[in-house]
Amino acid sequence: EAGVAQSPRYKIIEKRQSVAFWCNPISGHATLYWYQQILGQGPKLLIQFQNNGVVDDSQLPKDRFSAERLKGVDSTLKIQPAKLEDSAVYLCASSFRKPHTDTQYFGPGTRLTVL
Amino acid sequence: SQQGEEDPQALSIQEGENATMNCSYKTSINNLQWYRQNSGRGLVHLILIRSNEREKHSGRLRVTLDTSKKSSSLLITASRAADTASYFCATDGDEGNTGKLIFGQGTTLQVKP
Repeated sequence: EAGVAQSPRYKIIEKRQSVAFWCNPISGHATLYWYQQILGQGPKLLIQFQNNGVVDDSQLPKDRFSAERLKGVDSTLKIQPAKLEDSAVYLCASSFRKPHTDTQYFGPGTRLTVL
Repeated sequence: SQQGEEDPQALSIQEGENATMNCSYKTSINNLQWYRQNSGRGLVHLILIRSNEREKHSGRLRVTLDTSKKSSSLLITASRAADTASYFCATDGDEGNTGKLIFGQGTTLQVKP
């Protein structure tokens, strides 16, 4: 079974530029998550999708971050414009259906450096 | 805000020794999970313990949960160099009942060969 795929693995941009990350979850997984992990901290949930609907985006900085999950499969996370404090690893995860009881499977992450 | 707090923040042991990491949380939970993260990699799920369970084993891993103290511990027995990683606890103490996981800061474990 293929795991969660993410691209790119690394990205370096200047502040105020835009960037987009892509995630392909495990086939059949209805729930998809985007996390932000700042160096030395645990992951923080940015947005959670159930199929193509948003379940929780309470910690997504909506003035600069956006995410979509078209057709309930792949997802993209965009930052526009980027700030220095956005430097972090962006992790995508997916789970089968029930967030309370199902294991979340994580992708390798995209390491973003904003200069 | 982070719900779980791991203790210690860093732990260094010799191969063969046991490693114990602790996690404290603030709100009521349905379950608590432990994840491992190797340097530069994504997180790997280790074990899930439900709020009505007190102890769970998986191979060399033993997890305990004390809901009265809002704390959990992860014990790795007979550690190996390959166990070197960061370990995170995550709880689903979410009032919106979405199952959202809240991760702690993590414990960095170094196992010396």
